[in-house]
Amino acid sequence: DQQVKQNSPSLSVQEGRISILNCDYTNSMFDYFLWYKKYPAEGPTFLISISSIKDKNEDGRFTVFLNKSAKHLSLHIVPSQPGDSAVYFCAASVTGGGADGLTFGKGTHLIIQP
Amino acid sequence: DSGVTQTPKHLITATGQRVTLRCSPRSGDLSVYWYQQSLDQGLQFLIQYYNGEERAKGNILERFSAQQFPDLHSELNLSSLELGDSALYFCASSVEAFGSSPLHFGNGTRLTVT
Repeated sequence: DQQVKQNSPSLSVQEGRISILNCDYTNSMFDYFLWYKKYPAEGPTFLISISSIKDKNEDGRFTVFLNKSAKHLSLHIVPSQPGDSAVYFCAASVTGGGADGLTFGKGTHLIIQP
Repeated sequence: DSGVTQTPKHLITATGQRVTLRCSPRSGDLSVYWYQQSLDQGLQFLIQYYNGEERAKGNILERFSAQQFPDLHSELNLSSLELGDSALYFCASSVEAFGSSPLHFGNGTRLTVT
């Protein structure tokens, strides 16, 4: 039972364009959502988060959008740069008492083409 | 550099053996989490400790155990190892226990069981 789903295993985008990574979740108790970036041979690195009381959060080139009714979130990267090529994980948690830590999707491999 | 240190980086051992993975959290973080990433799988939550006490348990096998010491470092013990235990094991830390702040990951220990 996968509670956090990233349906695109990979995504290829041209340098300078917008990258949009998508994530769906099934557990309506999730109220805190995060995106992580992972390079080979390294641990996941925290990118950006959003609480369920918001529908958008921005940090530089990264924006996360949350649509609670659709149980969907997305990460927008604009403009995309070669260093953005990595695996991106969506994660979610139930704050204040969740017993499962962060629940992760399986990741989307983003490839930025020059 | 996330500030989370995991040792060793690589471990190769035989079936039936026991190993210990070690994690030092970021300075000031009281929570330690352990995750397993198998081939083609996302990050699976194993267990969480907060200030020395077990706080949450995920999909952790009975052959696996963990503890957090007074200096806040943590160890994950894997015993009676099977081929299927081969995976990347990540440790993460956060400042609080309740899932409302990002986790910061170490670079993982790659365990190979032969």
